[in-house]
Amino acid sequence: AQTVTQSQPEMSVQEAETVTLSCTYDTSESDYYLFWYKQPPSRQMILVIRQEAYKQQNATENRFSVNFQKAAKSFSLKISDSQLGDAAMYFCAYRSAGQFYFGTGTSLTVIP
Amino acid sequence: EPEVTQTPSHQVTQMGQEVILRCVPISNHLYFYWYRQILGQKVEFLVSFYNNEISEKSEIFDDQFSVERPDGSNFTLKIRSTKLEDSAMYFCAVLLSSGNTIYFGEGSWLTVV
Repeated sequence: AQTVTQSQPEMSVQEAETVTLSCTYDTSESDYYLFWYKQPPSRQMILVIRQEAYKQQNATENRFSVNFQKAAKSFSLKISDSQLGDAAMYFCAYRSAGQFYFGTGTSLTVIP
Repeated sequence: EPEVTQTPSHQVTQMGQEVILRCVPISNHLYFYWYRQILGQKVEFLVSFYNNEISEKSEIFDDQFSVERPDGSNFTLKIRSTKLEDSAMYFCAVLLSSGNTIYFGEGSWLTVV
């Protein structure tokens, strides 16, 4: 069964600093997609970044980047130059075929 | 991101009442999903809907739940007889036929009293 694990329930970072959120997953498949979603206090789920498993290059979206280690089944999110607006719950997700699986989330606090 | 509109944004209902949550996606959607998030907890999969029928459902999606696309546009989640533990945020999500990512609506917050 596919599972997604986020081992950090809470993280904090100083404004303008860098923080890394961890995610591991379990799968026997070779073709899949990985995602990070952000859920601010408004509770809407917003896509942050996406990674295709067949791509070796790590995805990057402005201040957000991932460290994708396929063999280790690890997919961490790095937020550079953290801003107050980055404070939110972050969910790691895995997609195989038409199904998506979510981790339990990491609550990120940004300290001014 | 494609727009996915959900109504109502918030509903309070008495235990035992029926509730219908609606999702209005744009066109070119391949899959539709309903997810649930109890306050402070993870996002839980309820059901996926493909080609006008249920593709997959979780153990949460028991007989009190149903989904349909009555007019080929709106995608609805019906809870027949609500329980206190059904209080949660319900998210509709869609997967575009051209993409690999699901996009979420803003959610419907259901409170059962």
